[in-house]
Amino acid sequence: EIVLTQSPGTLCLSPGERATLSCRASQSVTSSYLGWYQHKPGQAPRLLIYGASSRATGIPDRFSGSGSGTDFTLTISRLEPEDFAVYYCQQYGSSPLTFGGGTKVEIK
Amino acid sequence: EVQLLESGGGVVQPGGSLRLSCVASGFTFSSDTMSWVRQAPGKGLERVSGITGNSGGTYYADSVKGRFTISRDNSKNTLSLQMSSLRAEDTAVYYCVRGGVRAPFDYWGQGTLVTVSS
Repeated sequence: EIVLTQSPGTLCLSPGERATLSCRASQSVTSSYLGWYQHKPGQAPRLLIYGASSRATGIPDRFSGSGSGTDFTLTISRLEPEDFAVYYCQQYGSSPLTFGGGTKVEIK
Repeated sequence: EVQLLESGGGVVQPGGSLRLSCVASGFTFSSDTMSWVRQAPGKGLERVSGITGNSGGTYYADSVKGRFTISRDNSKNTLSLQMSSLRAEDTAVYYCVRGGVRAPFDYWGQGTLVTVSS
């Protein structure tokens, strides 16, 4: 099983600042089948990034993903008020599909 | 527009059973792997089960193996999760999701809450 470790656990930032979230895998993620999801309370999670770096439909270009192998990053270039949420990475290349523990981005 | 509409959640006693359903629309349901993902209170996301488009392959997390059964009816665009021998630790919001191995989880239902409590 591929274990995904996200850091930091919590990120305290102000609107307009840049957010950098990390996701480290215990072994190489098959063909960069790595996704990022945004989850707000009371809502369904939303796919932001798939294939490590491709934005999902309708996702603003302030969200970007990078990385390969075991190290991946989600960057939010300038935080908007609606971006404060929990973010999860997920590998979907090999079973069992696994999620990281999440990074909470909260308002400073 | 893709829509996934879950139903069937509720309160059940430990050891009881519950059946979740998800009606899909807006895409070719029979072509896609579907999954159930849950989030327990204060916890992260966990894929508990999945099924391929033709029902030829299924997946169960160790935590639910032998107790949960996933199925689908492609003629009715419906995904189901039969849950039995429920435990307190199965308490969670359960999401119906399109996606699986090599397919990102691109569409999610709004979730249905299952509470296992006496």
